[in-house]
Amino acid sequence: EVQLVESGGGLVKPGGSLRLSCAASGFTLTNAWMKWVRQAPGKGLEWIGRIKGKAEGGTTDHAAPLKGRFTISRDDSKNTLYLQMNSLKNEDTAVYYCTHYRDSSGLRADTWGQGTLVTVSS
Amino acid sequence: QAVVTQEPSLTVSPGGTVTLTCGSSTGAVISNHYPYWLQQKPGQAPRTLIYDTTYKHSWTPDRFSGSLLGGKAALTLSGAQPEDDAEYYCLLSYSGVGVFGGGTKLTVL
Repeated sequence: EVQLVESGGGLVKPGGSLRLSCAASGFTLTNAWMKWVRQAPGKGLEWIGRIKGKAEGGTTDHAAPLKGRFTISRDDSKNTLYLQMNSLKNEDTAVYYCTHYRDSSGLRADTWGQGTLVTVSS
Repeated sequence: QAVVTQEPSLTVSPGGTVTLTCGSSTGAVISNHYPYWLQQKPGQAPRTLIYDTTYKHSWTPDRFSGSLLGGKAALTLSGAQPEDDAEYYCLLSYSGVGVFGGGTKLTVL
């Protein structure tokens, strides 16, 4: 079964850091194109960033407002995607989703994790 | 960063037809923006209905279709069903960087 499981969310103080993990099962991340999306309570979706498959160089793109604070990476040996979040602000409070949306072959997917809640508060 | 605009809310009668649109602050939406349309119901993760303007996933009901219309991306629902009552988000790509619209709350009533 194809599945994504996020972890690492929780309560963090403003200015703090957190690393979210997204463990994949049922498929390999190596050539998967993945993205992170977040949703603040009662609000809409926000695109955080994406990472291409290894065949495309594994390059990343990040949303301009978050660039420099948020970084996407991947550990193929652990089949896990990461989101490193630094200098967290109250407005970063949200449910964070990882999603697999295509492969290097061009095949489309639409697998979402269950989401992990990050709360930034003093 | 570009701003993507959607109607905040729309209402459609059961069996009716409605078109949701998605505009860009940078100008006309074109195929190179690779428009996506996602549906989200309360308490659930989103799911993609349409990608790359017109393409459907295997689970996308036939009554949904995507297009470019008047300089915007459009999602047309023909023959609305009660289960289509949901929030709909469009997503545009700007040279690889994605931006979501604010979402359209579609009520089937």
